Amino acid sequence: NAGVTQTPKFQVLKTGQSMTLQCAQDMNHNSMYWYRQDPGMGLRLIYYSASEGTTDKGEVPNGYNVSRLNKREFSLRLESAAPSQTSVYFCASSWGGSGTEAFFGQGTRLTVV
Amino acid sequence: AQTVTQSQPEMSVQEAETVTLSCTYDTSESDYYLFWYKQPPSRQMILVIRQEAYKQQNATENRFSVNFQKAAKSFSLKISDSQLGDAAMYFCALYGNKLVFGAGTILRVKS
Repeated sequence: NAGVTQTPKFQVLKTGQSMTLQCAQDMNHNSMYWYRQDPGMGLRLIYYSASEGTTDKGEVPNGYNVSRLNKREFSLRLESAAPSQTSVYFCASSWGGSGTEAFFGQGTRLTVV
Repeated sequence: AQTVTQSQPEMSVQEAETVTLSCTYDTSESDYYLFWYKQPPSRQMILVIRQEAYKQQNATENRFSVNFQKAAKSFSLKISDSQLGDAAMYFCALYGNKLVFGAGTILRVKS
């Protein structure tokens, strides 16, 4: 059982380049999330999808777009990467609703130069 | 809006002793849930303990327990008999209508 799979694990981009981070879960979860983790800032929510067909902004959505392609997949796109987007990105999923554990991918370390 | 505040960037504890990590939160949701997650250097996120806000009884999981003070919006984690393997980053998290995290506390365990 793979759980939550993120690709790629590492990426280096030049300023202005675009890329898409992929996330897939095989647990039939309803809710999916994208976070970024920066030193001293914890995990900050970028976007989330409470259910298939819906997406909502989190705390730090600027510079990002998301697509909930189907129930399994939730991608994060950087249209024009900036050095401030250098971070570790995590995808997570859960059943949604109340009190359910979120399962996390292994993270993507993104460096924008 | 949902916010989580962890005011201790770093804590240290001697092996076998007890340490308490602090967390305060704010939410307008009447029904919500609170969590503590552990992140070791591997970056894996591990659920340590969860608390349903409607339950008065504090959650416990072996050496881990919480002190949930609903009126004060406080949710602290107590680790008893600390072990070297407890050394990690600990995140407090709140689920109201989405899952949000605090800034984290680095826990160091001294042998």
